[in-house]
Amino acid sequence: SQTIHQWPATLVQPVGSPLSLECTVEGTSNPNLYWYRQAAGRGLQLLFYSVGIGQISSEVPQNLSASRPQDRQFILSSKKLLLSDSGFYLCAWSEQNTIYFGEGSWLTVV
Amino acid sequence: GESVGLHLPTLSVQEGDNSIINCAYSNSASDYFIWYKQESGKGPQFIIDIRSNMDKRQGQRVTVLLNKTVKHLSLQIAATQPGDSAVYFCAENHSGSWGKLQFGAGTQVVVTP
Repeated sequence: SQTIHQWPATLVQPVGSPLSLECTVEGTSNPNLYWYRQAAGRGLQLLFYSVGIGQISSEVPQNLSASRPQDRQFILSSKKLLLSDSGFYLCAWSEQNTIYFGEGSWLTVV
Repeated sequence: GESVGLHLPTLSVQEGDNSIINCAYSNSASDYFIWYKQESGKGPQFIIDIRSNMDKRQGQRVTVLLNKTVKHLSLQIAATQPGDSAVYFCAENHSGSWGKLQFGAGTQVVVTP
């Protein structure tokens, strides 16, 4: 069966520091991969999606970037975090229309 | 723009009663709908989905109803249990958007004893 792993689960970072969140999917090949952000008490906002290695589409302009160095690895990065980057970040994968989410990473920028 | 939204931000249900969570969508091109359950501090879990060529689909204790005429989606939970307390999201996409789900704001379901 397919599983998705995301880490770290929680992090507190100072403003201006870099960020790297990692996500890997197991049990499938060539999945579509996604990064979503969820602000407190809000719905999910799609940040990036990828249909293959090195192929990244950005949905909203922001201070973040994504990379897919391997088929089942998706990374969310920032060079300099802003306070507004705080939130709950979710990696997800899909093979057809249904999207399956990881457990999320809580980011607090202080 | 196109959007998906929920009617009720909070739903309080007595344990054992049935729950109904509603969702409206505005994109007439939407042809696939999903309900997710999100417990506090966790990622959303897939509950049930339905395609636009159906108007009803049943799972274990859950039923999704789709009314394309009024662009309305609902999730019914039978015999609600304390473990059903969570935020429920509806999401939609259409074949042209391919896997890029649009989520509603969510409904908080609180199950009381």
